Amino acid sequence: KNEVEQSPQNLTAQEGEFITINCSYSVGISALHWLQQHPGGGIVSLFMLSSGKKKHGRLIATINIQEKHSSLHITASHPRDSAVYICAGGGGADGLTFGKGTHLIIQP
Amino acid sequence: DAGVIQSPRHEVTEMGQEVTLRCKPISGHNSLFWYRQTMMRGLELLIYFNNNVPIDDSGMPEDRFSAKMPNASFSTLKIQPSEPRDSAVYFCASSLTLAGFDTQYFGPGTRLTVL
Repeated sequence: KNEVEQSPQNLTAQEGEFITINCSYSVGISALHWLQQHPGGGIVSLFMLSSGKKKHGRLIATINIQEKHSSLHITASHPRDSAVYICAGGGGADGLTFGKGTHLIIQP
Repeated sequence: DAGVIQSPRHEVTEMGQEVTLRCKPISGHNSLFWYRQTMMRGLELLIYFNNNVPIDDSGMPEDRFSAKMPNASFSTLKIQPSEPRDSAVYFCASSLTLAGFDTQYFGPGTRLTVL
């Protein structure tokens, strides 16, 4: 059974700080998804990656296949980045296995 | 594109009643997923379809849960009879293909409360 572990579970930071959220996953997962869930509950897909690095605005996602580890970084964090960030593993013909999420609060 | 559409957005029902949740995937997407989110367990995959065919329903918690996809533009998740522990947010998502490499687009969710 695929497994995904995320850390930290909760993170509070000041506006402007560099944020890192980590995700480790098990053998069998070949693609890693990063999702964002806002307080209103909607889920948005941020990145899907199977190798290397992707960047979108202030968000950067990296993956190390050998170590089975992925990170989500937020540069120049802002209060509107406050949300739950969820990593999820996908592999082959399969749905997603989710981490428990990181509750991020950015204080002004 | 309207995105994934789910209805109803909120449902409150009494224990023992039948509940039907509905989902319209993004046009052209071949795969559809049903997820459940609770505080205790987070997000869990219940069942997924590819080209309207159920592929894996091992995440469906009990026989009280059933899902259908009669055509490419519509799916239902039914709970009969409902129980208080079924209270959760149920998300539907769709993707172009089934592969784990594909981006999934989530609907707004249905918040179910079973009294």
